[in-house]
Amino acid sequence: AQSVTQLGSHVSVSEGALVLLRCNYSSSVPPYLFWYVQYPNQGLQLLLKYTSAATLVKGINGFEAEFKKSETSFHLTKPSAHMSDAAEYFCAVTHRNRDDKIIFGKGTRLHILP
Amino acid sequence: GAGVSQSPSNKVTEKGKDVELRCDPISGHTALYWYRQSLGQGLEFLIYFQGNSAPDKSGLPSDRFSAERTGGSVSTLTIQRTQQEDSAVYLCASSLERARGRVAGDNEQFFGPGTRLTVL
Repeated sequence: AQSVTQLGSHVSVSEGALVLLRCNYSSSVPPYLFWYVQYPNQGLQLLLKYTSAATLVKGINGFEAEFKKSETSFHLTKPSAHMSDAAEYFCAVTHRNRDDKIIFGKGTRLHILP
Repeated sequence: GAGVSQSPSNKVTEKGKDVELRCDPISGHTALYWYRQSLGQGLEFLIYFQGNSAPDKSGLPSDRFSAERTGGSVSTLTIQRTQQEDSAVYLCASSLERARGRVAGDNEQFFGPGTRLTVL
């Protein structure tokens, strides 16, 4: 069975500082991994996804994530936080060779301090 | 617009009443998903449609919940005899059918804005 753990339900960083949102997954087979962002009162939007090509994946809005099989991690980073990055971020995993049901983590709310 | 739409955006109902939530997927998307987002609980998978059939209903929390999809397009999620614990945001997503020869799982899901259900 697959699962996703996001460490920290709330993360606060200062504007201009590094953003690091942690995600660890559990999967018995090679996974696909995703990060989604949800801005206030909006639906989820795909930030980036890992599908077994490059382990360092670049997404929208300057975010990137690195797939580390040895650590079963897929942490999301951004070098310099912007006020507009304040949102909730969800890590998700799905099975490569089965249906497209995605398992989501509980989410991390990112707060940007001025 | 061309995105996933959901209606109503907000629904307030009394305990014990039935509610219907609607999802209009992106045109041409054959896969459709329903999720529930409760405060502090993340996203909970409810049901998945491929065309009009639902190969995975494993996430429906009780027999008060049902969903249907007609014409391979619009889907309706129905909650009967609503309870206060049903209060949540219900999200719908759609994606393209798995292309022939492609590996499953990499089709992006496009989400609607959700329906916020409040049961008093």
